[in-house]
Amino acid sequence: GAGVSQSPRYKVAKRGQDVALRCDPISGHVSLFWYQQALGQGPEFLTYFQNEAQLDKSGLPSDRFFAERPEGSVSTLKIQRTQQEDSAVYLCASSLTPGQGADTQYFGPGTRLTVL
Amino acid sequence: AQSVTQLGSHVSVSEGALVLLRCNYSSSVPPYLFWYVQYPNQGLQLLLKYTSAATLVKGINGFEAEFKKSETSFHLTKPSAHMSDAAEYFCAVSKGAQKLVFGQGTRLTINP
Repeated sequence: GAGVSQSPRYKVAKRGQDVALRCDPISGHVSLFWYQQALGQGPEFLTYFQNEAQLDKSGLPSDRFFAERPEGSVSTLKIQRTQQEDSAVYLCASSLTPGQGADTQYFGPGTRLTVL
Repeated sequence: AQSVTQLGSHVSVSEGALVLLRCNYSSSVPPYLFWYVQYPNQGLQLLLKYTSAATLVKGINGFEAEFKKSETSFHLTKPSAHMSDAAEYFCAVSKGAQKLVFGQGTRLTINP
């Protein structure tokens, strides 16, 4: 079956531009996560959705970052007024059940954002 | 607070040699632990996970890991390295019921 897909795979933005990154989770997966992976680092948590509800946004680095999942499936991560420090790979993951720490998270290929 | 430490940002082994990637965790409660592999320009793929059942966990591609509570470790091993094992490996702990906390990663290089 289809895995988690993300688009675009690569995005180049000029400093100050707004960007929108899309995630299509595995069909039927309740939980959706966004992570940010800087070059040479491990992924860091940004935000978590259970269906359409954003239950944890503690990892969003600033109010320029906004995520939504309005119908409980596709999610969009939006970054306003991009800065060079926003350059990273943005990973989306989904899991089948809500609130299960042992549940496997399935990752998409990521979107590599480069801010010039 | 839960966290993981991966010892060695780079590990190099010869093809056919033992692979050992180290991971230590800190957790106030029995953790759920994961090993993921990341190939260039790809997302993370689960190798194996510990969910407080058997302490020796077998995963895909011949990898296994042993949960040792007394050492707070969850090291990843493979008896015989293959060229296709060259990748970045991440240890992670589940924090609360949702997010994963990842280590810094270990880049594994296989020498022919």
